Amino acid sequence: GAGVSQTPSNKVTEKGKYVELRCDPISGHTALYWYRQSLGQGPEFLIYFQGTGAADDSGLPNDRFFAVRPEGSVSTLKIQRTERGDSAVYLCASSLSSGRTGELFFGEGSRLTVL
Amino acid sequence: KNQVEQSPQSLIILEGKNCTLQCNYTVSPFSNLRWYKQDTGRGPVSLTIMTFSENTKSNGRYTATLDADTKQSSLHITASQLSDSASYICVVSAGTNAGKSTFGDGTTLTVKP
Repeated sequence: GAGVSQTPSNKVTEKGKYVELRCDPISGHTALYWYRQSLGQGPEFLIYFQGTGAADDSGLPNDRFFAVRPEGSVSTLKIQRTERGDSAVYLCASSLSSGRTGELFFGEGSRLTVL
Repeated sequence: KNQVEQSPQSLIILEGKNCTLQCNYTVSPFSNLRWYKQDTGRGPVSLTIMTFSENTKSNGRYTATLDADTKQSSLHITASQLSDSASYICVVSAGTNAGKSTFGDGTTLTVKP
Protein backbone atom coordinates (compact mmCIF):
# COMPACT_ATOMS: atom_id res chain seq x y z
CA GLY A 1 0.00 0.00 0.00
CA ALA A 2 0.91 3.64 -0.25
CA GLY A 3 0.94 4.38 3.46
CA VAL A 4 1.57 2.77 6.83
CA SER A 5 -1.15 0.25 7.58
CA GLN A 6 -2.14 -0.80 11.09
CA THR A 7 -4.49 -3.56 12.14
CA PRO A 8 -6.78 -3.90 13.90
CA SER A 9 -8.05 -0.33 13.99
CA ASN A 10 -9.93 -1.13 17.18
CA LYS A 11 -9.40 -3.87 19.71
CA VAL A 12 -11.44 -4.46 22.85
CA THR A 13 -10.14 -7.07 25.23
CA GLU A 14 -10.50 -8.16 28.83
CA LYS A 15 -7.96 -7.58 31.55
CA GLY A 16 -5.37 -10.35 31.58
CA LYS A 17 -5.69 -11.27 27.92
CA TYR A 18 -2.95 -11.26 25.27
CA VAL A 19 -3.06 -8.85 22.32
CA GLU A 20 -1.14 -8.45 19.09
CA LEU A 21 -1.11 -5.27 17.05
CA ARG A 22 0.27 -5.28 13.53
CA CYS A 23 2.07 -2.61 11.52
CA ASP A 24 2.80 -2.78 7.81
CA PRO A 25 5.24 0.05 6.95
CA ILE A 26 5.78 1.80 3.67
CA SER A 27 7.71 -0.46 1.33
CA GLY A 28 11.43 0.20 1.49
CA HIS A 29 11.35 2.00 4.83
CA THR A 30 14.02 0.48 7.03
CA ALA A 31 13.19 2.34 10.22
CA LEU A 32 10.00 1.49 12.14
CA TYR A 33 8.74 3.00 15.37
CA TRP A 34 5.98 2.18 17.84
CA TYR A 35 4.36 4.85 20.01
CA ARG A 36 1.58 4.90 22.57
CA GLN A 37 -0.80 7.84 22.70
CA SER A 38 -3.18 8.39 25.57
CA LEU A 39 -6.15 10.72 25.26
CA GLY A 40 -5.13 14.36 25.17
CA GLN A 41 -1.43 13.59 25.10
CA GLY A 42 1.26 13.40 22.48
CA PRO A 43 2.71 10.08 21.29
CA GLU A 44 5.16 8.40 23.65
CA PHE A 45 8.07 6.45 22.16
CA LEU A 46 8.05 2.70 22.81
CA ILE A 47 10.51 0.94 20.51
CA TYR A 48 12.49 1.48 17.32
CA PHE A 49 13.59 -1.05 14.70
CA GLN A 50 16.31 -0.60 12.14
CA GLY A 51 15.79 -3.51 9.78
CA THR A 52 15.00 -6.65 11.72
CA GLY A 53 16.61 -5.69 15.00
CA ALA A 54 15.20 -3.67 17.85
CA ALA A 55 17.74 -0.85 17.94
CA ASP A 56 16.17 0.83 20.95
CA ASP A 57 13.46 -0.57 23.22
CA SER A 58 13.98 1.87 26.06
CA GLY A 59 10.41 3.14 25.87
CA LEU A 60 8.71 -0.17 26.55
CA PRO A 61 7.00 0.29 29.95
CA ASN A 62 7.61 -3.22 31.28
CA ASP A 63 8.28 -6.81 30.25
CA ARG A 64 4.64 -7.39 29.31
CA PHE A 65 5.35 -5.46 26.13
CA PHE A 66 7.35 -6.97 23.31
CA ALA A 67 7.72 -6.25 19.59
CA VAL A 68 9.19 -8.13 16.66
CA ARG A 69 10.02 -7.43 13.04
CA PRO A 70 11.34 -10.78 11.81
CA GLU A 71 11.77 -9.98 8.13
CA GLY A 72 12.50 -6.28 8.36
CA SER A 73 9.09 -5.24 7.12
CA VAL A 74 5.90 -6.00 9.07
CA SER A 75 6.12 -5.53 12.83
CA THR A 76 3.95 -6.89 15.61
CA LEU A 77 3.56 -5.31 19.04
CA LYS A 78 2.63 -7.90 21.63
CA ILE A 79 1.12 -7.16 25.01
CA GLN A 80 0.77 -9.91 27.58
CA ARG A 81 -1.56 -9.95 30.58
CA THR A 82 -3.19 -6.69 29.53
CA GLU A 83 -4.13 -4.16 32.18
CA ARG A 84 -6.70 -1.36 32.06
CA GLY A 85 -3.84 1.15 32.01
CA ASP A 86 -2.71 -0.26 28.68
CA SER A 87 -5.77 1.29 27.04
CA ALA A 88 -4.50 3.79 24.47
CA VAL A 89 -3.95 4.31 20.77
CA TYR A 90 -0.84 2.51 19.56
CA LEU A 91 0.75 4.32 16.62
CA CYS A 92 3.29 2.94 14.21
CA ALA A 93 5.53 5.10 12.03
CA SER A 94 8.10 4.28 9.40
CA SER A 95 10.92 6.25 7.86
CA LEU A 96 13.21 5.78 4.90
CA SER A 97 16.13 6.27 7.23
CA SER A 98 16.66 6.75 10.93
CA GLY A 99 18.71 9.89 10.48
CA ARG A 100 17.91 13.14 12.24
CA THR A 101 15.87 14.54 9.36
CA GLY A 102 14.18 11.31 8.38
CA GLU A 103 10.51 12.12 7.87
CA LEU A 104 8.14 9.94 9.84
CA PHE A 105 5.01 8.55 8.21
CA PHE A 106 2.40 7.47 10.71
CA GLY A 107 -0.34 4.90 10.46
CA GLU A 108 -3.82 5.64 11.74
CA GLY A 109 -3.23 3.70 14.91
CA SER A 110 -4.77 0.78 16.74
CA ARG A 111 -7.11 1.79 19.53
CA LEU A 112 -6.82 -0.70 22.38
CA THR A 113 -9.45 -0.82 25.11
CA VAL A 114 -8.89 -3.11 28.06
CA LEU A 115 -12.05 -3.73 30.08
CA LYS B 1 14.69 15.72 31.31
CA ASN B 2 13.70 16.70 27.77
CA GLN B 3 10.33 18.41 27.69
CA VAL B 4 8.06 20.06 25.15
CA GLU B 5 5.30 22.35 26.40
CA GLN B 6 2.54 23.60 24.12
CA SER B 7 0.03 26.36 24.59
CA PRO B 8 -2.80 26.90 24.55
CA GLN B 9 -4.13 23.44 25.30
CA SER B 10 -7.16 24.18 23.16
CA LEU B 11 -8.34 27.02 20.96
CA ILE B 12 -11.58 27.91 19.20
CA ILE B 13 -11.58 30.40 16.33
CA LEU B 14 -13.94 31.47 13.58
CA GLU B 15 -13.37 30.40 10.00
CA GLY B 16 -11.18 32.85 8.14
CA LYS B 17 -9.35 34.08 11.23
CA ASN B 18 -5.66 33.65 11.94
CA CYS B 19 -4.16 31.98 14.98
CA THR B 20 -0.79 31.23 16.53
CA LEU B 21 0.17 28.16 18.52
CA GLN B 22 3.16 28.12 20.85
CA CYS B 23 5.80 25.53 21.68
CA ASN B 24 8.51 25.82 24.33
CA TYR B 25 11.13 23.12 24.71
CA THR B 26 14.00 22.12 26.94
CA VAL B 27 15.39 19.43 24.65
CA SER B 28 19.16 19.26 24.45
CA PRO B 29 21.19 19.01 22.31
CA PHE B 30 18.74 20.43 19.80
CA SER B 31 18.62 18.75 16.39
CA ASN B 32 15.36 19.81 14.76
CA LEU B 33 11.78 20.79 15.47
CA ARG B 34 8.72 19.56 13.62
CA TRP B 35 5.08 20.47 13.65
CA TYR B 36 2.51 17.76 12.98
CA LYS B 37 -1.21 17.95 12.32
CA GLN B 38 -3.29 15.12 13.74
CA ASP B 39 -6.92 14.82 12.70
CA THR B 40 -9.22 13.00 15.09
CA GLY B 41 -8.74 9.26 14.78
CA ARG B 42 -5.83 9.59 12.38
CA GLY B 43 -2.06 9.48 12.63
CA PRO B 44 0.04 12.68 12.74
CA VAL B 45 1.05 14.22 9.43
CA SER B 46 4.17 16.36 9.10
CA LEU B 47 3.69 20.06 8.36
CA THR B 48 7.17 21.53 8.74
CA ILE B 49 10.65 20.64 9.92
CA MET B 50 13.16 23.22 11.08
CA THR B 51 16.80 22.87 11.95
CA PHE B 52 18.90 25.08 14.20
CA SER B 53 19.79 27.57 11.48
CA GLU B 54 16.25 28.10 10.21
CA ASN B 55 14.05 30.86 11.62
CA THR B 56 10.97 30.50 9.45
CA LYS B 57 9.44 27.85 7.26
CA SER B 58 6.15 27.94 5.43
CA ASN B 59 3.85 25.27 4.07
CA GLY B 60 0.87 26.89 2.41
CA ARG B 61 -1.16 28.68 5.06
CA TYR B 62 1.06 27.28 7.82
CA THR B 63 4.15 29.24 8.90
CA ALA B 64 6.47 27.96 11.61
CA THR B 65 9.05 30.08 13.39
CA LEU B 66 11.95 29.01 15.54
CA ASP B 67 13.99 30.93 18.09
CA ALA B 68 16.76 28.55 19.14
CA ASP B 69 18.08 31.03 21.69
CA THR B 70 14.87 31.18 23.70
CA LYS B 71 13.91 27.62 22.73
CA GLN B 72 10.55 28.66 21.41
CA SER B 73 8.62 27.90 18.26
CA SER B 74 5.29 29.03 16.94
CA LEU B 75 2.93 27.80 14.27
CA HIS B 76 0.87 30.49 12.59
CA ILE B 77 -2.21 29.51 10.63
CA THR B 78 -3.54 32.07 8.18
CA ALA B 79 -7.13 32.35 6.94
CA SER B 80 -8.27 29.30 8.85
CA GLN B 81 -10.56 26.73 7.27
CA LEU B 82 -12.92 24.22 8.85
CA SER B 83 -10.51 21.46 7.80
CA ASP B 84 -7.83 22.99 10.02
CA SER B 85 -9.69 21.63 13.03
CA ALA B 86 -7.23 19.14 14.48
CA SER B 87 -4.55 18.67 17.10
CA TYR B 88 -1.21 20.31 16.34
CA ILE B 89 1.78 18.62 17.88
CA CYS B 90 5.25 20.07 18.35
CA VAL B 91 8.06 17.51 18.23
CA VAL B 92 11.69 18.17 19.10
CA SER B 93 14.58 15.86 18.27
CA ALA B 94 17.68 15.80 20.44
CA GLY B 95 19.88 13.28 18.74
CA THR B 96 20.47 11.69 15.42
CA ASN B 97 17.28 9.63 15.36
CA ALA B 98 14.18 11.42 14.11
CA GLY B 99 11.84 8.93 15.70
CA LYS B 100 13.22 9.13 19.23
CA SER B 101 11.92 12.60 19.71
CA THR B 102 10.03 14.35 22.47
CA PHE B 103 6.41 15.06 21.60
CA GLY B 104 4.30 17.82 23.07
CA ASP B 105 0.73 17.10 24.14
CA GLY B 106 -0.64 19.17 21.30
CA THR B 107 -2.99 22.10 20.90
CA THR B 108 -6.52 21.18 19.89
CA LEU B 109 -7.78 23.71 17.37
CA THR B 110 -11.46 24.00 16.53
CA VAL B 111 -12.47 26.19 13.60
CA LYS B 112 -16.14 27.16 13.62
CA PRO B 113 -18.16 28.52 10.71
